Amino acid sequence: EPEVTQTPSHQVTQMGQEVILRCVPISNHLYFYWYRQILGQKVEFLVSFYNNEISEKSEIFDDQFSVERPDGSNFTLKIRSTKLEDSAMYFCASSEMAVRGTIYFGEGSWLTVV
Amino acid sequence: GENVEQHPSTLSVQEGDSAVIKCTYSDSASNYFPWYKQELGKRPQLIIDIRSNVGEKKDQRIAVTLNKTAKHFSLHITETQPEDSAVYFCAVVGNFGNEKLTFGTGTRLTIIP
Repeated sequence: EPEVTQTPSHQVTQMGQEVILRCVPISNHLYFYWYRQILGQKVEFLVSFYNNEISEKSEIFDDQFSVERPDGSNFTLKIRSTKLEDSAMYFCASSEMAVRGTIYFGEGSWLTVV
Repeated sequence: GENVEQHPSTLSVQEGDSAVIKCTYSDSASNYFPWYKQELGKRPQLIIDIRSNVGEKKDQRIAVTLNKTAKHFSLHITETQPEDSAVYFCAVVGNFGNEKLTFGTGTRLTIIP
């Protein structure tokens, strides 16, 4: 069964450093997402991406965050200057337009900011 | 924006008994209601979903019911087994064109052998 894949699985970074989290969505999917989950809390929406542009973003997704689809397969989340409160699990997800709403998650990238 | 409330936050049941988790939502235009199971350190896994034109859906030991008038939906797990122990999240997707999942706060389900 096709899966959303993410790298790295775990990253530790110094506060103020830039971080790039990478994702390969399922190949025939057209909608891409980033969600985050702070330890012990619920999953929170960050951003959705369709047709090479952001379709929706949450209030969490401020100017420190950006997303990009640099080629036909990868989807990245960049945090420009990490803060302690950015420590969380970041999940990439994708969905096929024809099955609107059925969203498949990757295994996650655990980010620790120290 | 959409607000999703989930109850209870923790639930312990004896193995073999049933478990019920309830969620309410605020946006009457919401039209898709998935349930996710999350084991510790793992990704959310879709276990069942229901769309707004259906009142109930069942898949083996798992069922979901939807009451659009009251804006609530529930997950029912029958004949619970130890491997059902996990955190369960309900979620809601809004109207057409909105692909965002809004999650509930989660229910930690513990099955007591």
